[in-house]
Amino acid sequence: AQKITQTQPGMFVQEKEAVTLDCTYDTSDQSYGLFWYKQPSSGEMIFLIYQGSYDEQNATEGRYSLNFQKARKSANLVISASQLGDSAMYFCAMRAQGAQKLVFGQGTRLTINP
Amino acid sequence: DAMVIQNPRYQVTQFGKPVTLSCSQTLNHNVMYWYQQKSSQAPKLLFHYYDKDFNNEADTPDNFQSRRPNTSFCFLDIRSPGLGDAAMYLCATSIPPTGWGANVLTFGAGSRLTVL
Repeated sequence: AQKITQTQPGMFVQEKEAVTLDCTYDTSDQSYGLFWYKQPSSGEMIFLIYQGSYDEQNATEGRYSLNFQKARKSANLVISASQLGDSAMYFCAMRAQGAQKLVFGQGTRLTINP
Repeated sequence: DAMVIQNPRYQVTQFGKPVTLSCSQTLNHNVMYWYQQKSSQAPKLLFHYYDKDFNNEADTPDNFQSRRPNTSFCFLDIRSPGLGDAAMYLCATSIPPTGWGANVLTFGAGSRLTVL
């Protein structure tokens, strides 16, 4: 079984600062993918970034980067130069290769202060 | 723009009164999912379709049913809603996870169900 743990229920950050959202996972699968989604108060889940378990380089997408440490089973999301619009819930999720099911962590509520 | 559309965005029903939520997609994705997300919790997968093949999660109550009449549409039926079924219901789509790739799930905006 797969399990995702996000230990930070809430975080408060000043605008323009960088922020790291923690995610650890547990799986017996050798091949898997890790995802981060953003959920604003409107409710829609917005895909941010993806990391494959065999990818040698950490994924980056604009201001988002994923700090992937396979041996530690962690996949932290780093947001550089935070903006007010980054305030939202952030979910880490995982899917085994070839599987349909995406399993989510409990989420972290990020608040960016002006 | 290709997208996933959920209707209604907000649904209020009475205890025990059946409700149907709909999801449509223009992405032509083979796989469609229904997730339930209760307040301040992680989304929980109820079931998914791979084309017409229905896949139910083991812990999904019988009260929840689904229909997929064609590639574009999928419905979630709650036969007798209880107070504990109040939640956001999220529909998502993806291409099948063949080979090695992200196969990102694309979500709709959700349908928020209130049970009185």
